Amino acid sequence: DTEVTQTPKHLVMGMTNKKSLKCEQHMGHRAMYWYKQKAKKPPELMFVYSYEKLSINESVPSRFSPECPNSSLLNLHLHALQPEDSALYLCASGSIDRVSEAFFGQGTRLTVV
Amino acid sequence: EDQVTQSPEALRLQEGESSSLNCSYTVSGLRGLFWYRQDPGKGPEFLFTLYSAGEEKEKERLKATLTKKESFLHITAPKPEDSATYLCAVKDNYGQNFVFGPGTRLSVLP
Repeated sequence: DTEVTQTPKHLVMGMTNKKSLKCEQHMGHRAMYWYKQKAKKPPELMFVYSYEKLSINESVPSRFSPECPNSSLLNLHLHALQPEDSALYLCASGSIDRVSEAFFGQGTRLTVV
Repeated sequence: EDQVTQSPEALRLQEGESSSLNCSYTVSGLRGLFWYRQDPGKGPEFLFTLYSAGEEKEKERLKATLTKKESFLHITAPKPEDSATYLCAVKDNYGQNFVFGPGTRLSVLP
């Protein structure tokens, strides 16, 4: 099973709302990633979790708050977003112990109004 | 700083017309080079991992090759369902991050 599940698939939120994106994997991967992708651009790294600890934060604004409750789950909490934050948010997971590919979820299409 | 470029930016092929996509990279010690396919509005789908120069991988109509400075994705006799954006990514010796190239948008016309 090489599946990464993201929910919701689509999300529309106002600039004063608080919402969360969720990601789940059952491949035993200990590295989990959040990427942001704008139209016709490649994915850009936001956060990396290794063994449930935040290891990389690519200078992401504090209105994005990641959380890794356990080795299978990854959340991205959203608060006071701006319209320019509208994008496809991708979760991925991969092995830490060996160099290998990352597997991506289908993404959450976020629209901030 | 790791850099990945891809060419061409966009490619239109007739069904059955074979071609190659290029991925050039500059990294501090390559740990792996990865090819993904992405359909509009979907997450990237893993295709291949290449680890060292001279390595080749094949899957159906796709073949990926790797040299010390670049990788090629060869598409043999493509079909319209091969239309997608093809992304190349690298992972270096120092980081956990996958650095992506800008992608090649492939359109295969029937």
